[in-house]
Amino acid sequence: DAGVIQSPRHEVTEMGQEVTLRCKPISGHNSLFWYRQTMMRGLELLIYFNNNVPIDDSGMPEDRFSAKMPNASFSTLKIQPSEPRDSAVYFCASSLAAGINSPLHFGNGTRLTVT
Amino acid sequence: SQQGEEDPQALSIQEGENATMNCSYKTSINNLQWYRQNSGRGLVHLILIRSNEREKHSGRLRVTLDTSKKSSSLLITASRAADTASYFCATAQDKIIFGKGTRLHILP
Repeated sequence: DAGVIQSPRHEVTEMGQEVTLRCKPISGHNSLFWYRQTMMRGLELLIYFNNNVPIDDSGMPEDRFSAKMPNASFSTLKIQPSEPRDSAVYFCASSLAAGINSPLHFGNGTRLTVT
Repeated sequence: SQQGEEDPQALSIQEGENATMNCSYKTSINNLQWYRQNSGRGLVHLILIRSNEREKHSGRLRVTLDTSKKSSSLLITASRAADTASYFCATAQDKIIFGKGTRLHILP
């Protein structure tokens, strides 16, 4: 299995631009998670989906952030407009079963730099 | 907060020695998970221990869970250079929340 695939691996953009991060979960996995990692705040859960339905988006920092999962094999995290404080590594993870009792499989992340 | 907190924040030991990392949390949990992260990579799942379990083993890894003290430990025996990484505990209740991790450095 190819594992969780994220693109791009690196993204550098200017403040105010729209950024779209992409994730392909492991085939057959029913849950998908978006996390953000920074030195100051560690790993923060932004949103997670079960069977393509958003379950908890309480971690999404602002209305500038939005996430979609149009089908079982694709999800996007969009930031519009981006700000320098959004600079972080964004991870997507998937798990086999819905809920919290299955291990998470992480992609290698997208390192976002907003100048 | 549900978030686990690892201790120590950083640990350096000689190759061959055992490494112990601790995790404390504040609320009840369904399970607790440990993950490893190598530099520039995503997290890799190591072990999941359920709230009704007290100890679990996987190869050179041993995890304990004490729900009365709301704490867990991860022991890596006979450490190797390849064990150099950051280690995170994650508590699972209604969602999975990670601590800030322990940076482990194995000295040759």
